[in-house]
Amino acid sequence: DAGVIQSPRHEVTEMGQEVTLRCKPISGHNSLFWYRQTMMRGLELLIYFNNNVPIDDSGMPEDRFSAKMPNASFSTLKIQPSEPRDSAVYFCASSLVGRATDTQYFGPGTRLTVL
Amino acid sequence: AQSVTQPDIHITVSEGASLELRCNYSYGATPYLFWYVQSPGQGLQLLLKYFSGDTLVQGIKGFEAEFKRSQSSFNLRKPSVHWSDAAEYFCAVGAAAGNKLTFGGGTRVLVKP
Repeated sequence: DAGVIQSPRHEVTEMGQEVTLRCKPISGHNSLFWYRQTMMRGLELLIYFNNNVPIDDSGMPEDRFSAKMPNASFSTLKIQPSEPRDSAVYFCASSLVGRATDTQYFGPGTRLTVL
Repeated sequence: AQSVTQPDIHITVSEGASLELRCNYSYGATPYLFWYVQSPGQGLQLLLKYFSGDTLVQGIKGFEAEFKRSQSSFNLRKPSVHWSDAAEYFCAVGAAAGNKLTFGGGTRVLVKP
């Protein structure tokens, strides 16, 4: 299996620009999670989907952030407009909920720098 | 609400020495517990997990962890560290298998030659 795929791996943009991060979960997984990692706040969950439906978006910082999962094999996290404080590493993870031994598998992350 | 505390931000250990990383959790029911490792510039890799059963769980790369309900702890151990074990280690708790995880702040491990 290819694992969780994220693109781009690195993104540098200017304040005010729109940023779109992409994630392809492991085939067959039915849950998808977006995390953000910063030095100040550590790893924090932004939003997660189950069967393509958003279940909990309480971690989304503000309305500038939005996430979609149009199908089981693709999700996007969009920031519009971006701000320097959004600079972080964004991880996508997927899992197969419903089995006793399921686990979240993480992608390599997207390092976002907003200038 | 669930929470995880990793009391040690940094640990320095000599190569070949033993390693123990502490993790304390707060959760009202039976927790699902995980240890992940993150090498510089990389994603998170699962080391081991505890759902139920034997409280001593074995993981990859020679790591093990022990679940102690009375102490709300899930400490990670390795008998003899290798230079390649230098990384950041995260303990996490989940409400149910595959559900959202709450991570501790991480412990950065440095390995001296």
